[in-house]
Amino acid sequence: DAGVTQSPTHLIKTRGQHVTLRCSPISGHKSVSWYQQVLGQGPQFIFQYYEKEERGRGNFPDRFSARQFPNYSSELNVNALLLGDSALYLCASSSGQGDNSPLHFGNGTRLTVT
Amino acid sequence: GDSVTQMEGPVTLSEEAFLTINCTYTATGYPSLFWYVQYPGEGLQLLLKATKADDKGSNKGFEATYRKETTSFHLEKGSVQVSDSAVYFCALSDAGAGSYQLTFGKGTKLSVIP
Repeated sequence: DAGVTQSPTHLIKTRGQHVTLRCSPISGHKSVSWYQQVLGQGPQFIFQYYEKEERGRGNFPDRFSARQFPNYSSELNVNALLLGDSALYLCASSSGQGDNSPLHFGNGTRLTVT
Repeated sequence: GDSVTQMEGPVTLSEEAFLTINCTYTATGYPSLFWYVQYPGEGLQLLLKATKADDKGSNKGFEATYRKETTSFHLEKGSVQVSDSAVYFCALSDAGAGSYQLTFGKGTKLSVIP
């Protein structure tokens, strides 16, 4: 079975630009979460979507937005990119919402902002 | 807010050595606790979890016990292998936040040498 797939794998953008990252969850999974992992740090929670509704948002500015589509895939959008947005962006899916539905992570999108 | 503190790395061990990676947490409620592993170039994989006090999670020879009295969840393995070389993250989930989100520690890089 295919795992969580993310695209693109690598991306280079310039300050001030906009970026869209994409995620396809494991088949049957209805929840998608996004995390930002800065080099040398642990992942930080950005968003969770369940059944196409936002269920949680981390401490990130409004430049960050996301959505989930009817097929449960998801997009993360970041506007007005800053150098500090350079990071590995991880998408995770789960079948439900609680601890009995473990998160399955994709390999991430490496974003570099110059 | 919730937080996770784990021992600084990197940790370098010889094959068959005993491994301990310390993890302590701060949480307002009764979190579930997790260890995730990240191999080079890959996303995070759930290694083990424990959902209540005194629970022991175990997988692939790794173990961790949820100690509420010391707010700890230390990872142990009796005999490490070269293939265990990876970055290990301790994490907790806050069910009271209304969404399923993980708070991660900064990670501990383990290198096992033959």
